[in-house]
Amino acid sequence: RKEVEQDPGPFNVPEGATVAFNCTYSNSASQSFFWYRQDCRKEPKLLMSVYSSGNEDGRFTAQLNRASQYISLLIRDSKLSDSATYLCVVTRMDSSYKLIFGSGTRLLVRP
Amino acid sequence: DTGVSQDPRHKITKRGQNVTFRCDPISEHNRLYWYRQTLGQGPEFLTYFQNEAQLEKSRLLSDRFSAERPKGSFSTLEIQRTEQGDSAMYLCASSLVSTGFDEQYFGPGTRLTVT
Repeated sequence: RKEVEQDPGPFNVPEGATVAFNCTYSNSASQSFFWYRQDCRKEPKLLMSVYSSGNEDGRFTAQLNRASQYISLLIRDSKLSDSATYLCVVTRMDSSYKLIFGSGTRLLVRP
Repeated sequence: DTGVSQDPRHKITKRGQNVTFRCDPISEHNRLYWYRQTLGQGPEFLTYFQNEAQLEKSRLLSDRFSAERPKGSFSTLEIQRTEQGDSAMYLCASSLVSTGFDEQYFGPGTRLTVT
């Protein structure tokens, strides 16, 4: 079993739709949590960190449930430019801070 | 451009050949990471450096792989006797770790194709 699991999708939604992605992680000692965005054949870029209290950045809302080891990302009012792969990422409780990635969820926003 | 740079961007090589990739991190960053990404998967950690010291290597890093970061600046990743299974995107990331985690900034990657 992979340490970070995501539904690969693709999620195919119309512009303006609200879409939610989920992710589960297996290591209860995971320390930090993130969503990265990766465009086709490009490098991953940090979208947002995820905090236990939940956090919002514009149209994006991230939630963390440590008890269930579950992370979510909600995108409201989807834009064509949101089409990308969204990677769920955790770090372990060690000093390396290496990133442990899920396989990603692909989002396609259609006109 | 003051971001992370990688060279070359693309490399096609024949099985059995050696290849070397270079990563130039953001100048003040003390941490440098190498990841590998295959099609349909997320990046997987290979190794990381704090300044010039290589502090951890993944089990993915077989003895055909070697990485260096002389003088704590740029880093090289060499793959000897390449195999078709080495075909992947090799990503470099850097960060400034002082009191704790800091964002890792990724370079554009080197796409390796072994024929």
